[in-house]
Amino acid sequence: SQTIHQWPATLVQPVGSPLSLECTVEGTSNPNLYWYRQAAGRGLQLLFYSVGIGQISSEVPQNLSASRPQDRQFILSSKKLLLSDSGFYLCAWSDHRPGATTEAFFGQGTRLTVV
Amino acid sequence: GEDVEQSLFLSVREGDSSVINCTYTDSSSTYLYWYKQEPGAGLQLLTYIFSNMDMKQDQRLTVLLNKKDKHLSLRIADTQTGDSAIYFCAESIRNTDKLIFGTGTRLQVFP
Repeated sequence: SQTIHQWPATLVQPVGSPLSLECTVEGTSNPNLYWYRQAAGRGLQLLFYSVGIGQISSEVPQNLSASRPQDRQFILSSKKLLLSDSGFYLCAWSDHRPGATTEAFFGQGTRLTVV
Repeated sequence: GEDVEQSLFLSVREGDSSVINCTYTDSSSTYLYWYKQEPGAGLQLLTYIFSNMDMKQDQRLTVLLNKKDKHLSLRIADTQTGDSAIYFCAESIRNTDKLIFGTGTRLQVFP
């Protein structure tokens, strides 16, 4: 069966510090991978998605970046965090099959607080 | 562009029906989804509907799709306290792998 791991669960970081959130998927190959941010009152905002190794699509211009060094690994990074980067970050994967439903399976999320 | 809107809050009495509404702007969506988020957790898929369907029923859940008005709704019959959560509608965009979510509706069920 497929599983998705996301860590850490909570993180408190000072303004200006770097960020690295990691997400890995097991039990599937060549998944679509997604990073979302959930902020209060703003719903679930798509930040990045990837359809393959090294292929990253950015949805929102910001000081965050994403990388996919391996097929089932997706990393969200920042060189210098801002207060506005605080939020609940969710990683998700879906099957990469043409014409199939894009049912997404979510990790448990990372609560990031920038202080 | 792609935009999915929902009302932020809904409060219902236990046993009543809940109707959560969603509007979307992109007419090229292939599937539309309803996800449920328990407090402090990730999202789980509740149900989905293909864009060429008008209605789908799954036990207590009924999904209605009005393509002309780009309006999607989720009806929960006999709402229970365990249904209290945030409900997100989402659309997948044709010919891409993008999955766009709405703002979420917080459903509160009171006895």
